[in-house]
Amino acid sequence: NAGVTQTPKFRILKIGQSMTLQCTQDMNHNYMYWYRQDPGMGLKLIYYSVGAGITDKGEVPNGYNVSRSTTEDFPLRLELAAPSQTSVYFCASSYSLGSGYEQYFGPGTRLTVT
Amino acid sequence: EDQVTQSPEALRLQEGESSSLNCSYTVSGLRGLFWYRQDPGKGPEFLFTLYSAGEEKEKERLKATLTKKESFLHITAPKPEDSATYLCAVQNLFQGAQKLVFGQGTRLTINP
Repeated sequence: NAGVTQTPKFRILKIGQSMTLQCTQDMNHNYMYWYRQDPGMGLKLIYYSVGAGITDKGEVPNGYNVSRSTTEDFPLRLELAAPSQTSVYFCASSYSLGSGYEQYFGPGTRLTVT
Repeated sequence: EDQVTQSPEALRLQEGESSSLNCSYTVSGLRGLFWYRQDPGKGPEFLFTLYSAGEEKEKERLKATLTKKESFLHITAPKPEDSATYLCAVQNLFQGAQKLVFGQGTRLTINP
């Protein structure tokens, strides 16, 4: 199992540009999540999904959009990038029947908006 | 609102010097408290889940304990490879989707 994979690893965007962060998991997990982590801060939940076709906002959703068309994939879309979106983005997944409640994280995407 | 506070923010120890990290939390109903390890430039790596007060879990030099208001991560005779940021998070029993609320982390450095 590869676990949770994310692409790209690094990206520099200009203000106003858009991009999609990719996330894929191969653990057959129902739930998937997007977090951002700013220096010296804990992880903040952006969006989450409880299954294909179902998504909902987390704590800091403004400026982002998500979709979930398959169990495996959960892309995060940034529209009109702003400097405040400079951060490290982590995708995570959790829960399949018979498993615990822990979340498993990808390696992250470091995004800089200038 | 669920809250998690970790202390200290940073801790520097000598190799072999045991210590504890603290995680204080407030949550309307606890489904689980989670400890993660995060190395620089990497995603958090799951360590432990604790579900009820009095529970303890161990892994190598790490032991996690839980009370109704806080959790401790005890590190016994640490080695330089234990250097990392340790994150604590809680999951609310009354919220769906198993969402986590994280503390800001404790950055642990073990000097040889």
